Amino acid sequence: QKEVEQNSGPLSVPEGAIASLNCTYSDRGSQSFFWYRQYSGKSPELIMSIYSNGDKEDGRFTAQLNKASQYVSLLIRDSQPSDSATYLCAVYSGYSTLTFGKGTMLLVSP
Amino acid sequence: NAGVTQTPKFRILKIGQSMTLQCAQDMNHNYMYWYRQDPGMGLKLIYYSVGAGITDKGEVPNGYNVSRSTTEDFPLRLELAAPSQTSVYFCASTYGIGGQQYFGPGTRLTVL
Repeated sequence: QKEVEQNSGPLSVPEGAIASLNCTYSDRGSQSFFWYRQYSGKSPELIMSIYSNGDKEDGRFTAQLNKASQYVSLLIRDSQPSDSATYLCAVYSGYSTLTFGKGTMLLVSP
Repeated sequence: NAGVTQTPKFRILKIGQSMTLQCAQDMNHNYMYWYRQDPGMGLKLIYYSVGAGITDKGEVPNGYNVSRSTTEDFPLRLELAAPSQTSVYFCASTYGIGGQQYFGPGTRLTVL
């Protein structure tokens, strides 16, 4: 069974700091990787996707993928209180479906 | 585009009642999904569809049924509701295999 593991947190960081969120996955054949942000009571929204090894940057967000070690991470620079949410890692390993981790709660204090 | 829409937003059912959760998308996506999310847990796949007339079970299909007669609509049917089906239900769609999934706003269901 394909598994995606995340630390449930909460991860607490002060405003302006770098938040580092990590995710490991079990299927070596995984091809696509996604980070979703979910505010309390809301639906998940995509913030980053990454498909090949290395870093991908988009504004304050950087996704990092290491297929050999089977982990993907998300860095949030200059964290803001508005970044406080649960971050879900999702992995595509085939068969038309995504496997989601349970999410890491991030708390950014002013 | 409205994206993915879901109705109702909230519903309370009594044990043994049935209901249909509606999901529609206007992005011409072939792939559609139903998830449930329990407090502190991730998303668990209930059913999915890769096109009109084609559906398949996900991780937690028991107690649910789906149909896909059109590209746009993917309703989820609950038969004989049980307290264990109390959850938030999300519908999602995507344009192709391995692509980004777009989520609806969710339906919060309570079974008493």
